[in-house]
Amino acid sequence: GQQLNQSPQSMFIQEGEDVSMNCTSSSIFNTWLWYKQDPGEGPVLLIALYKAGELTSNGRLTAQFGITRKDSFLNISASIPSDVGIYFCAGRGAGGTSYGKLTFGQGTILTVHP
Amino acid sequence: DTGVSQDPRHKITKRGQNVTFRCDPISEHNRLYWYRQTLGQGPEFLTYFQNEAQLEKSRLLSDRFSAERPKGSFSTLEIQRTEQGDSAMYLCASSLPGQPGDNEQFFGPGTRLTVL
Repeated sequence: GQQLNQSPQSMFIQEGEDVSMNCTSSSIFNTWLWYKQDPGEGPVLLIALYKAGELTSNGRLTAQFGITRKDSFLNISASIPSDVGIYFCAGRGAGGTSYGKLTFGQGTILTVHP
Repeated sequence: DTGVSQDPRHKITKRGQNVTFRCDPISEHNRLYWYRQTLGQGPEFLTYFQNEAQLEKSRLLSDRFSAERPKGSFSTLEIQRTEQGDSAMYLCASSLPGQPGDNEQFFGPGTRLTVL
């Protein structure tokens, strides 16, 4: 089945630093999504990407859809304490029987020290 | 604007009991999804509905699991004869029909199930 490898697994950074994380797949995806999850809550959608090579920003967040359609990247600039949480990448496949589902990575745990 | 809601938020049950969870999607969303998330992992897909039709089921959805969406609005997920391995967060999501909206799934707060 489809697998997403997300790295790094965890990051400990100082407030104000920039953050980068990425996700790679053995399969092609048509859509890449990035979510943030706080403890005890559901994931919140941050950014959606639809085209290979696409670069999309949402405030201090920037994400890219890899050219090969097998990877995606998320950058957070000038981190602040409320950026703390778990960040997940998710991909949606290229149709067929798995058209409805998202496949998620294992998550990147972000800790920001004031 | 009301988001996806789930009830209950927490459920503690004894092994062998049946449990039922409810999900109310965002009102204009016709697609509804169920996922399961265990500690330290990303959500795993269980099943999805378009209106009242259940269009896809994961192999994770054993015979003890059943999901319904009888009128194409809210959905229920029932687990019969619960096992300790069923302990997890059960997440519901919904999306708009058509491109690109049906790619963007919005999640509820989840139901945390603990099986003793």
